[in-house]
Amino acid sequence: EPEVTQTPSHQVTQMGQEVILRCVPISNHLYFYWYRQILGQKVEFLVSFYNNEISEKSEIFDDQFSVERPDGSNFTLKIRSTKLEDSAMYFCASSRLMSDYGYTFGSGTRLTVV
Amino acid sequence: TQLLEQSPQFLSIQEGENLTVYCNSSSVFSSLQWYRQEPGEGPVLLVTVVTGGEVKKLKRLTFQFGDARKDSSLHITAAQPGDTGLYLCAGVSPPGAGSYQLTFGKGTKLSVIP
Repeated sequence: EPEVTQTPSHQVTQMGQEVILRCVPISNHLYFYWYRQILGQKVEFLVSFYNNEISEKSEIFDDQFSVERPDGSNFTLKIRSTKLEDSAMYFCASSRLMSDYGYTFGSGTRLTVV
Repeated sequence: TQLLEQSPQFLSIQEGENLTVYCNSSSVFSSLQWYRQEPGEGPVLLVTVVTGGEVKKLKRLTFQFGDARKDSSLHITAAQPGDTGLYLCAGVSPPGAGSYQLTFGKGTKLSVIP
């Protein structure tokens, strides 16, 4: 069964450093998303991406965050200057159609900012 | 801001018992999705319900979407230890709301004791 692949599975970074989280969505999917889950809390929406541009973003997705689809397969989330409160599981997801029909989530990247 | 409340938060039952978990909101959703999440993994889609009053079955799992599309339930018949996990509901805002992001509940953590 097709799956969304995320790398790395775990990243530790110093506060203030830039990190790039990588995702390979399912090949025939058109919509891409990033969600995050702080330990013990809800899964929260960050951003959605369609047709090479951001279609929607949440209040969490401030100027420190950016997304890119640098080629036909990868979808990346960059955090420019990490803060302690950015520590969370970051999930990439993709869907063939708009979100009414359900997403396929990756296994996540656990980001720890020290 | 749309909120989804899930209850109960924790549920521990014996193998073979039946259970129901609930997902409630004061807001209308165009669809509700149910996911299951294992520790350290991403949510895995179980089902999407779209039409008010809709009932969907997945083996021993029965999902229902409320007539007013504000609530949903998941009923498990004859629970097995393999059903242990975190069950999440997630709603998509109605058309015209200008948003297709998923709003997640906090989840119901189910433990099925052999």
